[in-house]
Amino acid sequence: EVQLVESGGGLVQPGGSLRLSCAASGFTFSSYEMNWVRQAPGKGLEWVSYISSSGSTIYYADSVKGRFTISRDNAKNSLYLQMNSLRAEDTAVYYCARDLEIWGQGTMVTVSS
Amino acid sequence: DVVMTQSPLSLPVTLGQPASISCRCSQSLVHSDGNTYLSWFQQRPGQSPGRLIYKVSNRDSGVPDRFSGSGSGTDFTLKISRVEAEDVGVYYCMQGTHWPPYTFGQGTKLEIK
Repeated sequence: EVQLVESGGGLVQPGGSLRLSCAASGFTFSSYEMNWVRQAPGKGLEWVSYISSSGSTIYYADSVKGRFTISRDNAKNSLYLQMNSLRAEDTAVYYCARDLEIWGQGTMVTVSS
Repeated sequence: DVVMTQSPLSLPVTLGQPASISCRCSQSLVHSDGNTYLSWFQQRPGQSPGRLIYKVSNRDSGVPDRFSGSGSGTDFTLKISRVEAEDVGVYYCMQGTHWPPYTFGQGTKLEIK
C-alpha cells in the first residue's frame, strides 16, 4: 500500500525552527517528484515547495523562499522540510504529496508565543 | 501567478441530484506540450485531500465514474452525476501548467440539503 506519513509538527515560537519529515512506503520513492502543501486552519490549500526525484531541481513559494528548505534522502525513503524564521502565518497543517496525487495525513505546525 | 476562481463557494445538493463546480483561470492552461494541466481534488471532512481528476478529464484510480471533468483554455467544470452522502466535502481545482507555483482555487464546499 502506498503511504506517506508526516511527522515533526508542533508548537514553536515566532522566529523559531522546525523540521518536518515525511516517510514514504509502498512505492519506489526515488522515482517520484515530491511536494509540500499547507493548509491554514479553516482555509484552502497552498503549495509550498517541490523537489525532483533526484533532488536536483527545487522550487519554493514566494511566501517561504529563503526561510524553508526542502530535501530528500532516497536511501531512507524520506522527504524533509526545514522551516526557519517561522511566522504566525506559517501556522497550518503541512502535507507531503507524491506528484500531488497521493497525500499524507498531514502534520500540524503552530507558530505562537 | 495564475489565479483560479471557483464558483459557487457553497453548494447545497439533494442526494441523488447532479452537482457542478466551475473553475476559471486568469490565463489559458494549455501547455506548450499540448496538454492542459488542470486537476480536481476532494477533501472530505477531517481528511487530507485526494486527487480525483488530472489533465482536465482523467479520473484517478478508484474514483467513481459519477465524477467527470471537462473544459478547455480558461474554463473548467467538475460534475457529479448523482450526489451521494460520501461526496460531502470541499473540492479544489488546481493548475499545473504555469508553475511554479502550483495554484489552487478557493474551494467549493458541497453539502447535502
